[in-house]
Amino acid sequence: ETGVTQTPRHLVMGMTNKKSLKCEQHLGHNAMYWYKQSAKKPLELMFVYSLEERVENNSVPSRFSPECPNSSHLFLHLHTLQPEDSALYLCASSQDAEWWGTGSDEQYFGPGTRLTVT
Amino acid sequence: GDSVTQMEGPVTLSEEAFLTINCTYTATGYPSLFWYVQYPGEGLQLLLKATKADDKGSNKGFEATYRKETTSFHLEKGSVQVSDSAVYFCALSDQGYGGATNKLIFGTGTLLAVQP
Repeated sequence: ETGVTQTPRHLVMGMTNKKSLKCEQHLGHNAMYWYKQSAKKPLELMFVYSLEERVENNSVPSRFSPECPNSSHLFLHLHTLQPEDSALYLCASSQDAEWWGTGSDEQYFGPGTRLTVT
Repeated sequence: GDSVTQMEGPVTLSEEAFLTINCTYTATGYPSLFWYVQYPGEGLQLLLKATKADDKGSNKGFEATYRKETTSFHLEKGSVQVSDSAVYFCALSDQGYGGATNKLIFGTGTLLAVQP
């Protein structure tokens, strides 16, 4: 596998279900991101992890719970979602600056998980 | 806060037509500017970038120039192909925490449909 992969690609879940989205990056990056893409709206940044620590939580409801066990993997745990949470969820990674070197502001995206909440 | 505004679509063109997709931004600092492209069923791919005023980013026949005086980063291509049909996103980087993690702020995206 190369780049950024996401599974599953499609997910349909009821409002009372619990499911998880998985993202894996094969680029050796140290930062990972979750975005929500809804029709006719800008991409919404949800969470940012840098060096496995969450550095941003953009006022995301608690029914979304991220987890970053290591720099290559990122999860988004979902529970008791609402129909308005139906969207394309995109994962991205980047190489952030660390004290001994330089980073890059380019982000690399996975193909996304199309989530439908019924 | 920082923001990006791009023209609403869809933009429908015939093959070999000239393309312009307008993008303007507001930023308090000196961000890098990007164009990303999203083909159907795929994630976003970086198309081109520019890191400072008057820089021109280019890739696959697409170009955009970082214009600080007009706070713009318009995307152009001289002759579009059917395979260019996609959604195009303008974005800027907003330096994040301690200069380490960069945030990207995106526009709403512009759908380009190229007809044969």
